[in-house]
Parts: sequence; structure tokens; C-alpha cells
Amino acid sequence: SQTIHQWPATLVQPVGSPLSLECTVEGTSNPNLYWYRQAAGRGLQLLFYSVGIGQISSEVPQNLSASRPQDRQFILSSKKLLLSDSGFYLCAWNSGTFTQYFGPGTRLTVL
Amino acid sequence: GENVEQHPSTLSVQEGDSAVIKCTYSDSASNYFPWYKQELGKRPQLIIDIRSNVGEKKDQRIAVTLNKTAKHFSLHITETQPEDSAVYFCAASISDYKLSFGAGTTVTVRA
Repeated sequence: SQTIHQWPATLVQPVGSPLSLECTVEGTSNPNLYWYRQAAGRGLQLLFYSVGIGQISSEVPQNLSASRPQDRQFILSSKKLLLSDSGFYLCAWNSGTFTQYFGPGTRLTVL
Repeated sequence: GENVEQHPSTLSVQEGDSAVIKCTYSDSASNYFPWYKQELGKRPQLIIDIRSNVGEKKDQRIAVTLNKTAKHFSLHITETQPEDSAVYFCAASISDYKLSFGAGTTVTVRA
């Protein structure tokens, strides 16, 4: 069966510091991968999605970037964090259908 | 792009009563409509979904109805229990295997 992992689970970072969040999927090949952000008490904002290695589509212009160095690995990065980057970051995957399955998430606090 | 509106934003029901959440979408090409349940601090979990060739789907105490002509779909929870308390998100499919999410409904079941 398929499994999706995210790490770290929680992160506290100062403003201006870099960021790297990782997501990996097991048990499937060539999945579509997604990064969402959820601000406290808010909905799901799609940040990036990828349909294959090296293929990244950005949904919202901001100081974040994404990369997909391997088929089942998706990385979210920033060179300099802002206070507004705080939130719950969720990775999701699907394969051949619209149904998306979410990872456990990373709770990021920028101070 | 697709715009999904979800109502109400909060819903409080007495245990044993029914809860109904409604969503409307704008893109007539949307053909897949999932519902996710998110408990506090956890990832969204798929609870039920419906495709455009079906008008209604039921799974135990949960049912979803779809009216393609009016472009709206609803989640019905019967005989609510305390463990139904959570945030519920509707979504509609858009291009490239993406989903557009509603803003969420916080459901509180009063004992």
C-alpha cells in the first residue's frame, strides 16, 4: 500500500532563516505531488504541484520554491522566511485519479 | 479558475441530529467532488467522494448529493456523534488533476 511521509513534524525558525521541508511517497510510481499551506484556522492553499521529476508548477508567487529531485520526493524551500510563512504545510499525492491523499504535515512557526 | 464556496463556516448540532454542509462550484467541467474531514492538528482525511455521473452516494451515516445543473453538492451526516466534530472541506476537480477546496466548515456536536 502507499504511504506518504513528511519531516520534520514541527519546526520553529527565525525570520530570515532558510527552510527545507521534505515529502516522500512509497508504494507508487510517477505520482502527482502537491504542496499546500494551511494558515491557522483557514483553508488549504495550493502552493506547488508536480507531475514528474523536475516539473514544478507554481500556484502562488511568493518567497517559496519547490523541487522534485526524485520520482517520489518533493521538497519545499525558502531562502529567507517571513513571519507570514508560518502555517501547517501539507504534502499530498495522487496517481491516475483526482483523489488526493495527504501527508501528516509540518507545523512551521516563524518567530 | 474554479471557485468553490462552502456554507456554513460553522455548524453546531445536538448529538443525534443531522448536519448538512453545502458547496457550490463554478466550472462546469468539474467532474469529481471529494469531502475531507480534518481533526484538530491532523491531516485532512478523505471521507467520501462522488463523480459527476452519480447523483448520490452513501456510506453508513454519511451521504453526498450532487446537482450538476445547479452546480452544487452537499454532505449529509446523520445521527451525529461527538467524534464527528471536526473541520470538513469540500473540493471540486479542476485541470491537471488539481482540486479547488472550499474554505471549510467547523462542525461541533454537542453532547
